[in-house]
Amino acid sequence: DADVTQTPRNRITKTGKRIMLECSQTKGHDRMYWYRQDPGLGLRLIYYSFDVKDINKGEISDGYSVSRQAQAKFSLSLESAIPNQTALYFCATSERGIRNEQFFGPGTRLTVL
Amino acid sequence: QKEVEQNSGPLSVPEGAIASLNCTYSDRGSQSFFWYRQYSGKSPELIMFIYSNGDKEDGRFTAQLNKASQYVSLLIRDSQPSDSATYLCAVSSNDYKLSFGAGTTVTVRA
Repeated sequence: DADVTQTPRNRITKTGKRIMLECSQTKGHDRMYWYRQDPGLGLRLIYYSFDVKDINKGEISDGYSVSRQAQAKFSLSLESAIPNQTALYFCATSERGIRNEQFFGPGTRLTVL
Repeated sequence: QKEVEQNSGPLSVPEGAIASLNCTYSDRGSQSFFWYRQYSGKSPELIMFIYSNGDKEDGRFTAQLNKASQYVSLLIRDSQPSDSATYLCAVSSNDYKLSFGAGTTVTVRA
């Protein structure tokens, strides 16, 4: 079984809809991250969490919110989706410590029409 | 804004040759350096990490770090068609966040 899972894997939605992307991990890692990837722009950090009570904004958090329901679960919400949020979204985890090796889930391809 | 820059691609190499990928970073406080491989439509996969100046070898991959020059590189020896992918350089500072380069796409010609 995959260590980091994301649901759904693909989603097509309409402008203005609320969308939730979910991430679960069995690696036992404390830290979890949400990124989006756009062609030519690399990976950009949306939100990150170092434990259940710690939530931090990344470089592109506008239009997004997150919830850390448990150590193993970290959800990303788009409150009112817009077309420029069409992207590939990745969840990642890392264990506590200075090295910060991050492991990625399979990704969710989101299309906003 | 912490910047990570990679040499622009695409990089095309013949099978069996060495592929050389370069990365520079702006934050002198950076502590950990990573190379990820990403196949089209797939998630990034960690293939190398390096924390100290010098070389680190793992199979056909060698990572090189020079903190004074703020430079990290990845060499792929005996390149295979399965090495065709985009390679992402990532850098971490003491805030435990990763900054990624835009990636270099490598194509290995059979």
